[in-house]
Amino acid sequence: GAVVSQHPSWVICKSGTSVKIECRSLDFQATTMFWYRQFPKQSLMLMATSNEGSKATYEQGVEKDKFLINHASLTLSTLTVTSAHPEDSSFYICSARDAAGGGETQYFGPGTRLLVL
Amino acid sequence: GENVEQHPSTLSVQEGDSAVIKCTYSDSASNYFPWYKQELGKRPQLIIDIRSNVGEKKDQRIAVTLNKTAKHFSLHITETQPEDSAVYFCAATETGKSTFGDGTTLTVKP
Repeated sequence: GAVVSQHPSWVICKSGTSVKIECRSLDFQATTMFWYRQFPKQSLMLMATSNEGSKATYEQGVEKDKFLINHASLTLSTLTVTSAHPEDSSFYICSARDAAGGGETQYFGPGTRLLVL
Repeated sequence: GENVEQHPSTLSVQEGDSAVIKCTYSDSASNYFPWYKQELGKRPQLIIDIRSNVGEKKDQRIAVTLNKTAKHFSLHITETQPEDSAVYFCAATETGKSTFGDGTTLTVKP
């Protein structure tokens, strides 16, 4: 099956620093990747849709200058949390759609747990 | 935009009993409805999905039904086992973008 990896799996950083999270589709090409944020015992909140070779589409209320997304290749999307603050602490999960055959199924990465001190 | 409501938020059943989780959606353009299972601290895993041109789909102990007219779909798990305990999310998808329900925490008691 389709495999999506995410790196790092967890990170602790000081307030004010920037953190980059990578999302990779390992055995398929993904023209579209999605970035979600999940708080404890809550649902997946879509932050943005990442499209290969073009600008990301951000959901309402998500600051694009705060959460920088780059989708430079068909297998890699990155999310950079700039000038992170404690309120940015969360579980960030990416997902990727298999481009072949116009599939709609999203395959999720294992998530990155971010703790900002 | 799309709005998905999921009920119940928590569900506790005895091993061997059936479990049913229901979701409603608002956007009639949504045409793909996946269900995900998420164990604590892990990624959501797709367990079953259904497309808008199908009314029911079954995979062993898991089944999903869809009523397009009423805009609701349901997950049915039969002969539940303790390893079915997890959080289950429904989603409604339109042009590839999914909106998730708030999740149902299922506990199967041995």
